[in-house]
Amino acid sequence: QKEVEQNSGPLSVPEGAIASLNCTYSDRGSQSFFWYRQYSGKSPELIMFIYSNGDKEDGRFTAQLNKASQYVSLLIRDSQPSDSATYLCAVLVPGRRALTFGSGTRLQVQP
Amino acid sequence: DAGVTQSPTHLIKTRGQQVTLRCSPKSGHDTVSWYQQALGQEPQFIFQYYEEEERQRGNFPDRFSGHQFPNYSSELNVNALLLGDSALYLCASSQGTGETQYFGPGTRLLVL
Repeated sequence: QKEVEQNSGPLSVPEGAIASLNCTYSDRGSQSFFWYRQYSGKSPELIMFIYSNGDKEDGRFTAQLNKASQYVSLLIRDSQPSDSATYLCAVLVPGRRALTFGSGTRLQVQP
Repeated sequence: DAGVTQSPTHLIKTRGQQVTLRCSPKSGHDTVSWYQQALGQEPQFIFQYYEEEERQRGNFPDRFSGHQFPNYSSELNVNALLLGDSALYLCASSQGTGETQYFGPGTRLLVL
């Protein structure tokens, strides 16, 4: 079992819809969770981080964390074609300084 | 506010050669982490430098080494290059060793 799991997709949504990206993790000690967006051929760009259970909103993005279920998600409202990218979920475990990434979910927003 | 910078952007080497990649962290950041991202894969942690010392290392051979300078910039050195070392090498900086990491644009290395 991988430490961070994501559905590889592609996840296809129409323009204007809500895209829901999911991630599960195995280490219950994990405390910091990150979502990075990566366009093809580019480096990962941080779009959200969340440390506490519940929801965190930033513009069109909402991160949701449920530590009891070891589950973190990213919602993108009013999806745009420019949101088409691979979304990487990453986890930081206390005592380990490295980000552990999921394999990423490819999102396609259809015009 | 300058973000993380890396040089060079692209590099072509042949097997057996050595390569040095460079990274300058975001202003105010003192920690540099290096990741390798093979095509179609997620980034894999190589090592992290803080206070000019390697603080943690991933599952990479000793051919991969690094350095951090007093101005917090860092170098990644890879010796005896293999074809499998072809990848996007990412530098990430943070303020402290357990904090949010911001990535630079990466260096794409091709080993022929």
